[in-house]
Amino acid sequence: DQQVKQNSPSLSVQEGRISILNCDYTNSMFDYFLWYKKYPAEGPTFLISISSIKDKNEDGRFTVFLNKSAKHLSLHIVPSQPGDSAVYFCAARPDSNYQLIWGAGTKLIIKP
Amino acid sequence: EAGVVQSPRYKIIEKKQPVAFWCNPISGHNTLYWYRQNLGQGPELLIRYENEEAVDDSQLPKDRFSAERLKGVDSTLKIQPAELGDSAVYLCASSFLAGVTYEQYFGPGTRLTVT
Repeated sequence: DQQVKQNSPSLSVQEGRISILNCDYTNSMFDYFLWYKKYPAEGPTFLISISSIKDKNEDGRFTVFLNKSAKHLSLHIVPSQPGDSAVYFCAARPDSNYQLIWGAGTKLIIKP
Repeated sequence: EAGVVQSPRYKIIEKKQPVAFWCNPISGHNTLYWYRQNLGQGPELLIRYENEEAVDDSQLPKDRFSAERLKGVDSTLKIQPAELGDSAVYLCASSFLAGVTYEQYFGPGTRLTVT
C-alpha cells in the first residue's frame, strides 16, 4: 500500500517554462513533506520542504504547494533550466515518528 | 564540508556470497540511516541509528542482513548470504537530529548486483 504516490514516471518540459511535479498521499497524519532531487549515480539531495500547517513555501525558482483537503502537493519550478533535469522524489513524515515515506519519483527532462 | 562517503560504489557478487558496505556520515551528524532503493522506486529504510544505538531496525531482514555503527560514527551494512533479490542501490544518509530536522544528507550509494 503506497502512502505516497507520484503518478507520473516522467515529465518533459521546455527550457524556460514552468515544471509542475505532483505528489498524492493517503495518510492524513503526515506533518511534513519534502522534495528531493536525484542525479544519476548520486544520492538524493534535499530541495525544499513544507510543514502541514502551511500551504506554500518558496525558495528561489522552487515553490511547493500543499492542499491538505485533497492530500496533494506539487513542486513548481520556474523557469525550468537544463540543470533541473533529474529524478524528483516526494517524501512525507508521519507525525508519530521520524521516518520518511518516499514516492517512486518523477523523471524531469528539460528540453533546450 | 565533506559529504556522506560510501564505499564501494559498485559491487558484483554471486548469490550466496557475503558482501559489506561502508558509510562515513557527515561529521557531527548523530543519526545515520541505511536505505535500499530498487529500480523505479523510492528509498526504503532498512535501519536507523542514533549514535551507536539501532533505534529502528524493523524493516531490516535480520536473517541475512546485519549492521553496526561502532563509536557512533562509521557504519557497516552486511548481507550474508546474498540473494538475487538483494540487487539494488544501498544508500546511507545522515542527519543532525532525527526528530528536529527532517533533512537527510545522502551518500552516492553502492550499486549491488547479485548474479
